[in-house]
Amino acid sequence: DSGVTQTPKHLITATGQRVTLRCSPRSGDLSVYWYQQSLDQGLQFLIQYYNGEERAKGNILERFSAQQFPDLHSELNLSSLELGDSALYFCASSGVEGAFFGQGTRLTVV
Amino acid sequence: GNSVTQMEGPVTLSEEAFLTINCTYTATGYPSLFWYVQYPGEGLQLLLKATKADDKGSNKGFEATYRKETTSFHLEKGSVQVSDSAVYFCALSEGYGGATNKLIFGTGTLLAVQP
Repeated sequence: DSGVTQTPKHLITATGQRVTLRCSPRSGDLSVYWYQQSLDQGLQFLIQYYNGEERAKGNILERFSAQQFPDLHSELNLSSLELGDSALYFCASSGVEGAFFGQGTRLTVV
Repeated sequence: GNSVTQMEGPVTLSEEAFLTINCTYTATGYPSLFWYVQYPGEGLQLLLKATKADDKGSNKGFEATYRKETTSFHLEKGSVQVSDSAVYFCALSEGYGGATNKLIFGTGTLLAVQP
């Protein structure tokens, strides 16, 4: 158990809809990262938050947004969903030891 | 920009065989290097890491040495087991001294160990 909790584990939704993925980091970790894993793109960094503030941005679409709350949990919002957004979305939190990943949310857009 | 290249899979081995999965990187500065493992249907687990040149990371019989001169971080294990079957990812972080920033991943290498 990595200590990083993601909900839900699975999500099936229709094109055009909006979903929210949730992540609770390991106790004491201030940084939260979001990654997308798909067969064609591999593991891609989306965005990083540190203690409530955006720290770095990767290949995140404008339809996607994220935030980190005062209790350090984070949410990734995906809107106007397209079939190509179907993927595994991982959250990770990090300390000096390295980055620890949650089990992921498998999003299927139909 | 920074990048990681790892050998194409799948790698198929018999139990107790020697494993090498090659990983090379391109980076400016002094990245930290990692190996992650992903078992079917699960998230990524940190397997080992090295934060500076000539460091050797090791865990569960796996090891990898940070070679700055060849920009490599090859994963090795002397005797694989069926339970080692998984996808292995090499990654780098642009952090210093062990601090972790965003990770840049290789494409992953599927290892299949047959009894």
